Amino acid sequence: AQSVTQPDIHITVSEGASLELRCNYSYGATPYLFWYVQSPGQGLQLLLKYFSGDTLVQGIKGFEAEFKRSQSSFNLRKPSVHWSDAAEYFCAVGVGGATNKLIFGTGTLLAVQP
Amino acid sequence: DSGVTQTPKHLITATGQRVTLRCSPRSGDLSVYWYQQSLDQGLQFLIHYYNGEERAKGNILERFSAQQFPDLHSELNLSSLELGDSALYFCASSVREGVRADTQYFGPGTRLTVL
Repeated sequence: AQSVTQPDIHITVSEGASLELRCNYSYGATPYLFWYVQSPGQGLQLLLKYFSGDTLVQGIKGFEAEFKRSQSSFNLRKPSVHWSDAAEYFCAVGVGGATNKLIFGTGTLLAVQP
Repeated sequence: DSGVTQTPKHLITATGQRVTLRCSPRSGDLSVYWYQQSLDQGLQFLIHYYNGEERAKGNILERFSAQQFPDLHSELNLSSLELGDSALYFCASSVREGVRADTQYFGPGTRLTVL
């Protein structure tokens, strides 16, 4: 069965430090992967997506993610975190077929220390 | 702003009641998805409509139903509400159906509180 695992429930980083959020997926075919961000009281905003080609994907707000098939991972990175990046981050896989429902991980809550 | 609108933003009601959540997709999008976000279940897919027709059901209770109208807006109806139905309900839209690379754009959600 398809699934997404985000091993880190909560992460705290200092402003200006680098960030890596982990995501592992289980999917039988080539996965279509997404990272969304949810700020407090807000909806989900797409940061980036991967479905083919270059395994290093650039997104909005300075984020990037690297698809590693051998490790079934799609980790999100940012070289220098800003206080405004504090939010909850969700990794998801699109399952396709008759529907393209998204299966989400449990999310990682990012806190940024001044 | 994703272009997806949801009303109301907040809804407080009592157990046993029925409510209707409304979603207007982005202009041109034919697919509408409903998701539920709760503390114990996380973000879960409920149901998908494409151009007025139901395409797939996920973990949607029998007390819940949805439809998509000719103008493409969608409504999620929740009846015989229980305390455990308290959650954030998201609507998302995308252009096509069954295209895995298609991006789903999410609305701001409706927070339902059942007392």
